[in-house]
Amino acid sequence: EVQLVESGGGLVQPGGSLKLSCAASGFTFKSYWMTWIRQAPGKGLEWVANIKQDGSEKYYVDSVKGRFTISRDNAKNSLYLQMNTLRAEDTAVFYCVRLVSAPHLGDSLDYWGQGTLVTVSS
Amino acid sequence: DIQMTQSPSSLSASVGDRVTITCRASRTVSSYLNWYQQKPGKAPKLLIYAVSTLQSGVPSRFSGGGSGTDFTLSISRLQPEDFATYYCQQSSTVPFTFGPGTKVDIK
Repeated sequence: EVQLVESGGGLVQPGGSLKLSCAASGFTFKSYWMTWIRQAPGKGLEWVANIKQDGSEKYYVDSVKGRFTISRDNAKNSLYLQMNTLRAEDTAVFYCVRLVSAPHLGDSLDYWGQGTLVTVSS
Repeated sequence: DIQMTQSPSSLSASVGDRVTITCRASRTVSSYLNWYQQKPGKAPKLLIYAVSTLQSGVPSRFSGGGSGTDFTLSISRLQPEDFATYYCQQSSTVPFTFGPGTKVDIK
C-alpha cells in the first residue's frame, strides 16, 4: 500500500524557517517524480514544487522561488521542503504527492499524504 | 502560467441528478487535464487523468471530456458520497495549475 506521511509543520513567525519531511513507503520511491501541493485555509489547491527522480530537475511556483527548496533522499525514501523567509500568505496545509507519468497521457497526482499544517503568524 | 477557471463555483443537486462541471484553460493544454475530488478535511483524490481516463477504483458514473481549452466533468447519477469539491488541473506546462474548485452540495 502506498503511503506518504508528512511531518514538520507547525507555527512559525514571519521571516522564519521550517523544513517539511515526507516519508514514503509501499512503492519504489526513486522511480517517481514527487511534488508538494499546498492549500491555504478554506482555499483551493496550489502546486508548489516538483522534483525529478534523481533530484536533477526541480521546478517551483514563482511565489516561492528563492525561498523554498525541494529535495529528496532516495536512500531514505524521503522528500523534503525547506521553507525560508516565510510569510503569512504561506499559511497552508502542505501535501506530499506522488506524480505519475504515462506516455501520451501526461502527468497526474495519484497518491497524496494527509497533509501537514504550516501556520505563519506572530 | 496557464490560468484555469471552473464553472459553476458551486452547485446544489439531489441524489440521482446528473451534474456537469466545466473547466477552461487560458491556452491549450492538449489532453493534459486531470480532475480531483476533495472531501472536507481530507486530501484530494485523483478521479480522472488525461481528460477522460478513470483512475483505478473510480465509479463509472464519473466521466470526463473535452480538448484543448474546454473540458467537462460529469457525474451521471449523483450519490451521497459524491458531495465534495472538484478541481481540474493542467499538466501541460509547469506550474501545473489548478482550477479554483467547484463545490457540489446537497439540495
